[in-house]
Amino acid sequence: EPEVTQTPSHQVTQMGQEVILRCVPISNHLYFYWYRQILGQKVEFLVSFYNNEISEKSEIFDDQFSVERPDGSNFTLKIRSTKLEDSAMYFCASSRLAGSLEQYFGPGTRLTVT
Amino acid sequence: GENVEQHPSTLSVQEGDSAVIKCTYSDSASNYFPWYKQELGKRPQLIIDIRSNVGEKKDQRIAVTLNKTAKHFSLHITETQPEDSAVYFCADRGSTLGRLYFGRGTQLTVWP
Repeated sequence: EPEVTQTPSHQVTQMGQEVILRCVPISNHLYFYWYRQILGQKVEFLVSFYNNEISEKSEIFDDQFSVERPDGSNFTLKIRSTKLEDSAMYFCASSRLAGSLEQYFGPGTRLTVT
Repeated sequence: GENVEQHPSTLSVQEGDSAVIKCTYSDSASNYFPWYKQELGKRPQLIIDIRSNVGEKKDQRIAVTLNKTAKHFSLHITETQPEDSAVYFCADRGSTLGRLYFGRGTQLTVWP
């Protein structure tokens, strides 16, 4: 069964550095999402992406964040200048169609900012 | 914005007993309510969902009920097994395009 994949599984970076988190959504899916989960807290929505543009973003998704679909398979989240409070588990998810509500999650990337 | 509350935060049951996890939501336009199971170190896995035009849905030992008037929905697991031990998250879609709003999660432990 196809699954969403994410790399790396764990990323350690210094405050102020740029990081890029990578995701490969399920191949026939058209809607892509990023969520994050700070340790011990709720899973929070960051951004959704469809047809090569952002569909929706949350208040967390400020100018430090960007997303891109650089080719037909990858979907990336870039944090330009990381802060300590960006430390979290970042999940990518995808869904097939607008009418298909089910979102399938990747295994996550644990980002640690020191 | 939408707010999803989930209770309890931890739940311990004996193998074979039932477990019930409850969630409330605030957006009356919410129309989709998924439940995810997350085992330690693994991805959240969609286990069941319900749409707002349905009051109950069952899949083997798992069932979800929805009360739109009261704005709450519940996950019921019957005949629990140790492999049901995990964190369970409820979510709803609110009135948004696709964004999910999650509850805080329930750590379910099933003792053999």
